[in-house]
Amino acid sequence: AQKITQTQPGMFVQEKEAVTLDCTYDTSDQSYGLFWYKQPSSGEMIFLIYQGSYDEQNATEGRYSLNFQKARKSANLVISASQLGDSAMYFCAMTLFSSNTGKLIFGQGTTLQVKP
Amino acid sequence: EPEVTQTPSHQVTQMGQEVILRCVPISNHLYFYWYRQILGQKVEFLVSFYNNEISEKSEIFDDQFSVERPDGSNFTLKIRSTKLEDSAMYFCASTFGQGIYEQYFGPGTRLTVT
Repeated sequence: AQKITQTQPGMFVQEKEAVTLDCTYDTSDQSYGLFWYKQPSSGEMIFLIYQGSYDEQNATEGRYSLNFQKARKSANLVISASQLGDSAMYFCAMTLFSSNTGKLIFGQGTTLQVKP
Repeated sequence: EPEVTQTPSHQVTQMGQEVILRCVPISNHLYFYWYRQILGQKVEFLVSFYNNEISEKSEIFDDQFSVERPDGSNFTLKIRSTKLEDSAMYFCASTFGQGIYEQYFGPGTRLTVT
């Protein structure tokens, strides 16, 4: 069965520095998508970035980039130039293209605190 | 920008009562989901809905749960007889397609069962 593992329950980063949030996944499927969502203290889930298993280049969206290492089954989120507003919980999630539902399987999340 | 809306934002109910959580997905989306998040824990898939029927449900989604899309715009989650362990944040999500398309999440309904 597919699984997402985020091993860092909490992380600290100094404002303006870069930070990497780890995500590893487990699936025997070859076709899948990986997502990162941000959940601020207000509770909503905000989509950040997507990486498809067949994408040859790492995804980037503004200050967010995804370090995708398929052989290692890892999809780490890199946030450059951290801002105070980046303090939030971050979830890695996966969907299998073989699924006829598109459901997301989430990791346990990482709480990021940005220090001024 | 279109958004998923959910009502109410917070619902308090007594154990054994029925609750209905309401969602209005984005209008041109075709796939609809309910997830739940027990406080401080990960987000868990409950059920997916497509073409007016359930396409998948998790083991959490037992006979006490049901979903409906009664009028082509609302998408509801009903819990027939709530238990203390149903206390959680419930998120509705929708998407235009599967796989590469992001799911848009609503702001959530916090359900507290006393």
